[in-house]
Amino acid sequence: QKEVEQDPGPLSVPEGAIVSLNCTYSNSAFQYFMWYRQYSRKGPELLMYTYSSGNKEDGRFTAQVDKSSKYISLFIRDSQPSDSATYLCAMSVRGSTLGRLYFGRGTQLTVWP
Amino acid sequence: DVKVTQSSRYLVKRTGEKVFLECVQDMDHENMFWYRQDPGLGLRLIYFSYDVKMKEKGDIPEGYSVSREKKERFSLILESASTNQTSMYLCASSSGLLAYEQYFGPGTRLTVT
Repeated sequence: QKEVEQDPGPLSVPEGAIVSLNCTYSNSAFQYFMWYRQYSRKGPELLMYTYSSGNKEDGRFTAQVDKSSKYISLFIRDSQPSDSATYLCAMSVRGSTLGRLYFGRGTQLTVWP
Repeated sequence: DVKVTQSSRYLVKRTGEKVFLECVQDMDHENMFWYRQDPGLGLRLIYFSYDVKMKEKGDIPEGYSVSREKKERFSLILESASTNQTSMYLCASSSGLLAYEQYFGPGTRLTVT
């Protein structure tokens, strides 16, 4: 079993829809939770990060972490065609300056006009 | 603007050849990483380095080696390329303080025939 599980999709939604992307994990030592976005033929870029539990909002994006359930989510409100990309969740252990991240497989999202 | 560059966007090599993939970052980052990305399998960590001349195995180090002689440069070496090493190779870097944020290069699409 992988330490981080993510449904690869693909997910296809109309413009304006609310999108929910999710990951589960097994390692209770994870404390940093990230979402990366990868456009076609590009490297991933950090979209949001959350430390420990709770919610974080940035414009149309909301990240949620539920450590009791070992479950994280990314919500996209009013989705746009420019949001079409692969979204990867990633996690790391607190205090690790070595910087190793554990990635999910990524969910491919298409937002059609 | 932060930047991670990779020596080639596309590379075609023959089975048995020795292959060098170069990665350079201009952010004075301590940590550097090599991943491969395959459809359905996501990002898989090959090797990483947290300091000059230091290296750690990732999840799939077999058939690969690395070299870090200077802080800004991290090389991935395929000693004897095989067809199952055909993949997209991504390099990333991060600082020790903000280790959760990795900056990725554009990737090298390697085809081994």
